[in-house]
Amino acid sequence: SQTIHQWPATLVQPVGSPLSLECTVEGTSNPNLYWYRQAAGRGLQLLFYSVGIGQISSEVPQNLSASRPQDRQFILSSKKLLLSDSGFYLCAWSALSGGPYGYTFGSGTRLTVV
Amino acid sequence: AQKVTQAQTEISVVEKEDVTLDCVYETRDTTYYLFWYKQPPSGELVFLIRRNSFDEQNEISGRYSWNFQKSTSSFNFTITASQVVDSAVYFCALRPLIQGAQKLVFGQGTRLTINP
Repeated sequence: SQTIHQWPATLVQPVGSPLSLECTVEGTSNPNLYWYRQAAGRGLQLLFYSVGIGQISSEVPQNLSASRPQDRQFILSSKKLLLSDSGFYLCAWSALSGGPYGYTFGSGTRLTVV
Repeated sequence: AQKVTQAQTEISVVEKEDVTLDCVYETRDTTYYLFWYKQPPSGELVFLIRRNSFDEQNEISGRYSWNFQKSTSSFNFTITASQVVDSAVYFCALRPLIQGAQKLVFGQGTRLTINP
């Protein structure tokens, strides 16, 4: 069965520090991968998506970047965090054809920038 | 452009009451999927249901039921005899039926609180 792992679960980082959040998927090949951010207002904002290794599409210009060094690994990064980067970050995957569930989400990382 | 609107920001009811969460969507696509997800306090999004735009049959799963009305572009979710464990944020989402990146468009969510 397919599983998605996301870590860390919580993170407190000072302003100006770097960030690296990792997401890996098991049990499937060539998944579509996504990073979403959920700010305090609850809405889910798509940040990046990837349809293959090295292929990254950005939805919103911002202080963050994403990379996909391996088929089932998706990394969200920042060189210098801003206060506004605080939020709940969710990684998700979907099958190439969409699959029955839309997305399967990871358990999320709660990032607080102080 | 695709858009999902959940006009109810927060709903609070007493346990055992029935509650309906509204979802209205906009799309120019003729084929699409609609979804509902539940986000409990732990944060993880849990899939509840998927509905194909060709299938307007209403669906019931235990205490949960969904009313898909293509004519009004609505996909409402009803919880019957609500329980405290139903307390969560609920998201409605829309996805076009195409290959490639399957970008889900989410509504802003409805925070449901069930009081004992």
